[in-house]
Amino acid sequence: DVKVTQSSRYLVKRTGEKVFLECVQDMDHENMFWYRQDPGLGLRLIYFSYDVKMKEKGDIPEGYSVSREKKERFSLILESASTNQTSMYLCASFDRGGSYEQYFGPGTRLTVT
Amino acid sequence: DAKTTQPPSMDCAEGRAANLPCNHSTISGNEYVYWYRQIHSQGPQYIIHGLKNNETNEMASLIITEDRKSSTLILPHATLRDTAVYYCIVRVGWTSGTYKYIFGTGTRLKVLA
Repeated sequence: DVKVTQSSRYLVKRTGEKVFLECVQDMDHENMFWYRQDPGLGLRLIYFSYDVKMKEKGDIPEGYSVSREKKERFSLILESASTNQTSMYLCASFDRGGSYEQYFGPGTRLTVT
Repeated sequence: DAKTTQPPSMDCAEGRAANLPCNHSTISGNEYVYWYRQIHSQGPQYIIHGLKNNETNEMASLIITEDRKSSTLILPHATLRDTAVYYCIVRVGWTSGTYKYIFGTGTRLKVLA
């Protein structure tokens, strides 16, 4: 059974803190993605990575950075958390073969106070 | 990028077919349509995808119009467990030989007993 896991389901951080969100997939997928989900806005792409150490900005990268040191792990970093980064964060991965179906993790609900 | 438009909410009686429409009038010829659903507090899950022809699997059917400007997801016999937010997505070619998913804002389907 394929799996994408995220380090926390719920996280509360203070403004200005550095925040790490971790995502791990066990399917040997090259492509991994970070989205944020907000009411009325659907899912918006923050960053994606197509290989180890390779990354591309998505539609809303401002205020975020990413790290991919190993194929199975993709981290999203909020350098200095702000209240407007309170959101649901979803990680996904897919392989280039087959249906290109994206597999999503359960999400991390981050609250910045 | 192609965009999708969906009604914000729909109701369906249990046991009846649920027909969820999606408009993607700016879709290009090689861009696929995907449908995912998201049950509360979980990550989105794949349902079905297609390019031109109608598709069916064990979960649903996908009907794509001949001009490809719209599609309909059909859940043939809706159950209470089908209550979820349904996303219509266009997969577009992107940088580095990968693909980007353009999410709509989703339709909240409520199946009524």
